Amino acid sequence: DVKVTQSSRYLVKRTGEKVFLECVQDMDHENMFWYRQDPGLGLRLIYFSYDVKMKEKGDIPEGYSVSREKKERFSLILESASTNQTSMYLCASSPTGLNTGELFFGEGSRLTVL
Amino acid sequence: GEDVEQSLFLSVREGDSSVINCTYTDSSSTYLYWYKQEPGAGLQLLTYIFSNMDMKQDQRLTVLLNKKDKHLSLRIADTQTGDSAIYFCAENRDDKIIFGKGTRLHILP
Repeated sequence: DVKVTQSSRYLVKRTGEKVFLECVQDMDHENMFWYRQDPGLGLRLIYFSYDVKMKEKGDIPEGYSVSREKKERFSLILESASTNQTSMYLCASSPTGLNTGELFFGEGSRLTVL
Repeated sequence: GEDVEQSLFLSVREGDSSVINCTYTDSSSTYLYWYKQEPGAGLQLLTYIFSNMDMKQDQRLTVLLNKKDKHLSLRIADTQTGDSAIYFCAENRDDKIIFGKGTRLHILP
């Protein structure tokens, strides 16, 4: 089974702190994604990556950056956390060439910024 | 519009059928998807349909696709308490998967 692991299920941080959310997948997938999920807004794509050291902005990249130094790991960085970044963050991966385009999700990281 | 649209909430009695509706935006989407999110978990692909199909059935699940109206539906027969979850409609657009806001399915006893 594909496993996408997010390092922290729950985090509490203070405004202005730097926050790292880590995601690791064990199936050698080329593509990795970071979404945030908010009630009534669904999933919104923050950043994605199609290969090591590649990154592309999604729909809401402001206030975030990402790092993909190794194929299996995709990190989301909040340089200076703000209260409006309190959310559930979901990481996903998919292989290139899988015709159905299925995404495999981690269990999510719930971030609270005080 | 640019969004994948679906109602936010559906309440169904146990044993009845649930029908969750969705309208999508890109007529060239190759695949349409239904994802399920159980409480406290990430999303899992429930089923998908290829755009040249009208219907797909998989045990209790039936997916109907109306390409002309860009309308997708998910029918769950004999709804069980374990079906209580958020269901997301999604399309592939510009090599990305675009999700609707999700429909929370609530099961009444």
